[in-house]
Amino acid sequence: EVVMTQSPATLSVSPGERATLSCRASQSVSSDLAWYQQKPGQAPRLLIYGASTRATGIPARFSGNGSGTEFTLTISSLQSEDFAVYYCQQYNNWPPLTFGGGTKVEIK
Amino acid sequence: EVQVLESGGGLVQPGESLRLSCAASGFTFSSYAMTWVRQAPGKGLEWVSSISGNGVSTYYADSVKGRFAISRDTSKSTLYLQMNNLRGEDTAVYYCALRLGGNGWFPIDYWGQGTLVTVSS
Repeated sequence: EVVMTQSPATLSVSPGERATLSCRASQSVSSDLAWYQQKPGQAPRLLIYGASTRATGIPARFSGNGSGTEFTLTISSLQSEDFAVYYCQQYNNWPPLTFGGGTKVEIK
Repeated sequence: EVQVLESGGGLVQPGESLRLSCAASGFTFSSYAMTWVRQAPGKGLEWVSSISGNGVSTYYADSVKGRFAISRDTSKSTLYLQMNNLRGEDTAVYYCALRLGGNGWFPIDYWGQGTLVTVSS
């Protein structure tokens, strides 16, 4: 099983600042890495797939980078609607499909 | 308009059974693999099970293997999750989900709103 580890668990950021979230895989997942955003009471929303491709309708302030075992999600200038929990997920080596534990981005 | 609507959640006692349904519309149901993902209260996302478009191939998380069964009825455009011998750790919101926007089963790009299953005595 590929274990996905996200850091930090919580990130405190002021609106307008840059946020960088990390995700590490226990073995290479190539570029088969997705990022999801989840707000309270809502289903997750796909932000990034293929490690760096924005999903339909996702603003350009969201960017993904990395391959193999190390990945980052960057939000260039945080907007109020970006405060949420973010999950990474690998789909290279499944089953099982595995998610990271999440990073909560909160207002500083 | 694409819609997936889960139903069937509720409160059950440990050891009991429950069947979740996911009614799909707005797309050719038989052409897409479907997946169940769950989320325990205050916790992260956990993949549960996936099924191919034709229903032939099924996959399960180790935590539910032998207790849960995924299936689909193309004539009703409905996905199911039969959950037997339920445990407290199965308490979660269960999401029906799929990849609509490209080839392959993943990543998931469309999610239902979820149905809550609570296992408690």
